[in-house]
Amino acid sequence: SAVISQKPSRDICQRGTSLTIQCQVDSQVTMMFWYRQQPGQSLTLIATANQGSEATYESGFVIDKFPISRPNLTFSTLTVSNMSPEDSSIYLCSVEDPTGGYTFGSGTRLTVV
Amino acid sequence: LAKTTQPISMDSYEGQEVNITCSHNNIATNDYITWYQQFPSQGPRFIIQGYKTKVTNEVASLFIPADRKSSTLSLPRVSLSDTAVYYCLVGRGGYGSSNTGKLIFGQGTTLQVKP
Repeated sequence: SAVISQKPSRDICQRGTSLTIQCQVDSQVTMMFWYRQQPGQSLTLIATANQGSEATYESGFVIDKFPISRPNLTFSTLTVSNMSPEDSSIYLCSVEDPTGGYTFGSGTRLTVV
Repeated sequence: LAKTTQPISMDSYEGQEVNITCSHNNIATNDYITWYQQFPSQGPRFIIQGYKTKVTNEVASLFIPADRKSSTLSLPRVSLSDTAVYYCLVGRGGYGSSNTGKLIFGQGTTLQVKP
């Protein structure tokens, strides 16, 4: 099954700053997905990232706040920009696993102070 | 994607069988039913998928009645390590996704296994 390396695993950031989260997959994948999981809540899809095109954002999420890069078929980054305490969440990337199901990274636990 | 409804939480004891039921009244003909498991501080993990009747793997069984408006995830002889959140997803893209690959998670069922 696909293996995802997600970095950083956690961070504490000052409000107003930005954090870039990286996801590296051990195989080439067409689509990568970014999710947010707020404390005690379920996962919410932020955007879908295809290589070679702009990411597609879900309602309530905008590119200025969550810019995404997808430079190749194994890598993607999500930046959380101009952070506020409301951005404190777990951010996860995901890909479709060729052996079945969707594989998720271990997540980035972000705390904004 | 069909809306799903699950109990918010369930408690069980080690060694018991646990059944978690999910309602999906608006399931479409081409939709599959998929369950994911999420341990604390980890991303969700695919457990099982089915279309109708019964599916069994090394982790769980999935029971789907003929009308497919509900499904039941069955975990045999749970242990403390089965404490997790269990999500039921319905979609036609396979593994709970839409045909564009999106996964739409509901609130899930928090299972607490006690000694």
